[in-house]
Amino acid sequence: QKEVEQNSGPLSVPEGAIASLNCTYSDRVSQSFFWYRQYSGKSPELIMSIYSNGDKEDGRFTAQLNKASQYVSLLIRDSQPSDSATYLCAASAYSGAGSYQLTFGKGTKLSVIP
Amino acid sequence: DGGITQSPKYLFRKEGQNVTLSCEQNLNHDAMYWYRQDPGQGLRLIYYSQIVNDFQKGDIAEGYSVSREKKESFPLTVTSAQKNPTAFYLCASSIDGLAGYEQYFGPGTRLTVT
Repeated sequence: QKEVEQNSGPLSVPEGAIASLNCTYSDRVSQSFFWYRQYSGKSPELIMSIYSNGDKEDGRFTAQLNKASQYVSLLIRDSQPSDSATYLCAASAYSGAGSYQLTFGKGTKLSVIP
Repeated sequence: DGGITQSPKYLFRKEGQNVTLSCEQNLNHDAMYWYRQDPGQGLRLIYYSQIVNDFQKGDIAEGYSVSREKKESFPLTVTSAQKNPTAFYLCASSIDGLAGYEQYFGPGTRLTVT
């Protein structure tokens, strides 16, 4: 059973601080990792993809991947109230029959306090 | 504008009725997916399709059916056999299903069955 684990939160940070979201995955052969942001009542929106060990930065967002530890994280710098949402971590792994599937964590709810 | 559309946004049905949810994409993506999201739960894969006229069961396919007659369209039917159909249904697509590419989501359909 492939699993992706996230702390459900809520994680509360003050405006302007760094928010750190963490995720672990069970399937060692997972190759691609994604962070989605989901506002209440809305669908998930892709914000970061990471495929190799190390850091990947995009604006205020930095994704970090450590395949040896089976660990993925998302850092949000200069957090804004508009960043308040649930963040979903997803891992992609080969599922047979030539296809890849995503396994999603249950999400971490982030609240940025003005 | 390229994207994924789902209709309707809200759907109410009586128990025992079949209902079909629409999903259309104009991204020229080969792969399409249906997920279900319940409160406090991660996304769970219902069905996916890598090419036209082919689809595979996901983790929770019982009580659901799909078709893929056109590349752009992947409708989901929730049958009366689905025991707990009330949920938020999300359609997604990716360039193809043969590698770990990003998946992009439509706005979702919220189904309530009473």
